[in-house]
Amino acid sequence: QPVLTQPSSLSASAGASASLTCTFRSGINIKMFWIYWYQQKPGNPPQYLLRYKSTSDTDRASGVPSRFSGSKDVSANAGILVISGLQSDDEADYYCMTWHASAWVFGGGTKLTV
Amino acid sequence: QVTLRESGPALVKPTQTLTLTCAFSGFSLTTDGVCVTWIRQPPGRAPEWLARIDWNDDEFYTPSLRNRLSISKDTFKNEVVLTLSNVAPVDTATYYCARIILDEFGDGGYFDPWGQGTLVTVSS
Repeated sequence: QPVLTQPSSLSASAGASASLTCTFRSGINIKMFWIYWYQQKPGNPPQYLLRYKSTSDTDRASGVPSRFSGSKDVSANAGILVISGLQSDDEADYYCMTWHASAWVFGGGTKLTV
Repeated sequence: QVTLRESGPALVKPTQTLTLTCAFSGFSLTTDGVCVTWIRQPPGRAPEWLARIDWNDDEFYTPSLRNRLSISKDTFKNEVVLTLSNVAPVDTATYYCARIILDEFGDGGYFDPWGQGTLVTVSS
């Protein structure tokens, strides 16, 4: 079972909000982990968006609008990237990443269609 | 402004050794806390972390490829070199380098910015 699991696709309407989940493998307690989120558009490298550990430990990359935010659902052992006020330009692949067992691990990615 | 640029062969034959170079500017690998990493992304798939090198010469590798990877740095040229030995078609991917921004404990962190990547195809 992978360390991080993401739904392969998600579709949402322009103006609405989208919640992209990143579920940690059972047995890994998400509470102490940083979760990093990247956006990738076709033909481009992934671009760092933000990181989230707790409500007091989170920040966005320079230039990333506040429409993008992170959270955790501890009961579901999942990190969440929330994009509000969806725009057509938000259509992209989104990857979560974490540092686990002395290695960086990526989720399989979610293709967001707006 | 921090920039990174990858270079290397576009085509490599199976069993050969792949050598990739990451030329960077806007920072120095002689500065405390500065690290550079390599990541690859097979076509249509998620990125995979490969290796990291730190300002103090510490090296880290993904466990599954540890015995095939080597990372080194040339601080005068501002370059980081990655070698991957005994390549196979499954190693076909776009290879990226990136600067690491370390977390508060100096082990994890995130990658920003990334280079544009270089596509490497392994085929006979």
